[in-house]
Amino acid sequence: AQKVTQAQTEISVVEKEDVTLDCVYETRDTTYYLFWYKQPPSGELVFLIRRNSFDEQNEISGRYSWNFQKSTSSFNFTITASQVVDSAVYFCALSEGASGGSYIPTFGRGTSLIVHP
Amino acid sequence: DTEVTQTPKHLVMGMTNKKSLKCEQHMGHRAMYWYKQKAKKPPELMFVYSYEKLSINESVPSRFSPECPNSSLLNLHLHALQPEDSALYLCASSQAPSGPYEQYFGPGTRLTVT
Repeated sequence: AQKVTQAQTEISVVEKEDVTLDCVYETRDTTYYLFWYKQPPSGELVFLIRRNSFDEQNEISGRYSWNFQKSTSSFNFTITASQVVDSAVYFCALSEGASGGSYIPTFGRGTSLIVHP
Repeated sequence: DTEVTQTPKHLVMGMTNKKSLKCEQHMGHRAMYWYKQKAKKPPELMFVYSYEKLSINESVPSRFSPECPNSSLLNLHLHALQPEDSALYLCASSQAPSGPYEQYFGPGTRLTVT
């Protein structure tokens, strides 16, 4: 069974601080996919990134960066120089299907990030 | 165009009412989803449509009835709901059902059952 743990329920920072959101996953498949989504107060989940299990290269997109480490089953998300607009709930998700699963993602419980001006 | 639209944005209904939620996407996606989300919880899958056919029903009560009239539209018909059904209902789509594709979500309908 697949599982995603986001141990941080809520993080509060002041603008311009760097912040890292943790995601730890469990899966028995060797082929799987990890995602991050952002849910601002408006409600819509916004796709941020997808990473497959064979690609451990870290990724940077502007102020966002992702650190994927299979050795620790983690896919952490760092926001550099946080801004008020980054305030949202962030969900990590895991999808597997190569062994006959449905690829329906399992979401973590989410981390609420509050960035104060 | 990577947009999924949902109407209405807000809905208040009594327990005896019948209402429908609507969802539309024009990305050519062949998988569409309904999720229910309670406050401070992750989205909870309700239904999956794959090529306009219902492929997954996560044991959702029959007072929720999904419909996929065509590849762009998804409806959720509501009847005799309970107050505990009050939640944010999210529609999503993805390129195909059988693959690790990212989902694109609509803004949701915030439903209150009185």
